[in-house]
Amino acid sequence: AQSVAQPEDQVNVAEGNPLTVKCTYSVSGNPYLFWYVQYPNRGLQFLLKYITGDNLVKGSYGFEAEFNKSQTSFHLKKPSALVSDSALYFCAVRANQAGTALIFGKGTTLSVSS
Amino acid sequence: NAGVTQTPKFRVLKTGQSMTLLCAQDMNHEYMYWYRQDPGMGLRLIHYSVGEGTTAKGEVPDGYNVSRLKKQNFLLGLESAAPSQTSVYFCASSSSGQRTGELFFGEGSRLTVL
Repeated sequence: AQSVAQPEDQVNVAEGNPLTVKCTYSVSGNPYLFWYVQYPNRGLQFLLKYITGDNLVKGSYGFEAEFNKSQTSFHLKKPSALVSDSALYFCAVRANQAGTALIFGKGTTLSVSS
Repeated sequence: NAGVTQTPKFRVLKTGQSMTLLCAQDMNHEYMYWYRQDPGMGLRLIHYSVGEGTTAKGEVPDGYNVSRLKKQNFLLGLESAAPSQTSVYFCASSSSGQRTGELFFGEGSRLTVL
């Protein structure tokens, strides 16, 4: 069975500091990995994805994520946080097999203080 | 562009009542999904559709029914609402199934069952 874990319910950073939101996964075979962001009272928005190729993936709003196969991780990062980055972030994983579903983590609330 | 539109946005039901949530997308996407979001549980897939006239069960299908009579619409029905179905419901669509995982989400429908 596939699963995804976001070990931190909340991450607090100061504006201008680097941020990391952690994600680990478990799937059979090669994974497809994704990050989505949700602002209050809104739907989820796609940030970035890893399908294959370069382990460092760049996405929207200056975010990037690094795929680490040996550690089964896909942490979201940003070099310099903005107050406007404060939101709920979801990691999601899907196995590279027909018929498997996209599984979401429980979400991590990012709070950036000024 | 409207994208994915959900109606209604808010609804209060009494236990045992029935209702239907409507999802409409104007992007000509083949795939559509219904998720529910509950605090601390991330998003869980209820039902999905891979094309007009098709539906399939997701992770938590019990108590819900769906229909996809037209490509642009995906309806989620509750035949006899229960308090456990109090949640925020999100519809999503994608052009290539969940293989690439880039889902487009609606704004959500907040349902309270008393």
